[in-house]
Amino acid sequence: DAKTTQPNSMESNEEEPVHLPCNHSTISGTDYIHWYRQLPSQGPEYVIHGLTSNVNNRMASLAIAEDRKSSTLILHRATLRDAAVYYCILRDLNTGNQFYFGTGTSLTVIP
Amino acid sequence: EPEVTQTPSHQVTQMGQEVILRCVPISNHLYFYWYRQILGQKVEFLVSFYNNEISEKSEIFDDQFSVERPDGSNFTLKIRSTKLEDSAMYFCASTLEGRNQFFGPGTRLTVL
Repeated sequence: DAKTTQPNSMESNEEEPVHLPCNHSTISGTDYIHWYRQLPSQGPEYVIHGLTSNVNNRMASLAIAEDRKSSTLILHRATLRDAAVYYCILRDLNTGNQFYFGTGTSLTVIP
Repeated sequence: EPEVTQTPSHQVTQMGQEVILRCVPISNHLYFYWYRQILGQKVEFLVSFYNNEISEKSEIFDDQFSVERPDGSNFTLKIRSTKLEDSAMYFCASTLEGRNQFFGPGTRLTVL
């Protein structure tokens, strides 16, 4: 699977929007972009995924660049419960459906 | 909302002993996975299981490891002879269609 690059850490004030960037310049045409998060002492949790178009769900929005070489996870109003490590993962279903996690971005939410 | 469950939450064992970690995936899911996370490190893929056989495994998943779906609900990971370096959180995951995986809360394995 192609590699992703994320900042090691970010901070946000509570109730403000958060934009978590991810670079994936070697993405292939069949790679889906997945975001998972891991709250302290818990297993990873699905957040959102997309292929080419921007996606919205009840947790977040995913903005995908037109060339697909980068994407941004948007949390519209950060809460203290959103403090977690956020992982951006590319996965090509043609080569298997397991996930290869990187080190992710550790998000701190400041009250 | 259905969820993946894992037992025990914490397992302590002596080096060289066998351990079995248990998972109950979401009931209608078809694909099952084990991952592990050594303290302070990345989540690492171990093995995927579909249609009663291993579909993919990583280089970590050597002959000391095995998986089984002994009945219609449980999915187990066995480590035959534990080593100190097997100490980690072990996460089970399942999915219906192979896309979004649902992870369990994990089992913390401590090998002394």
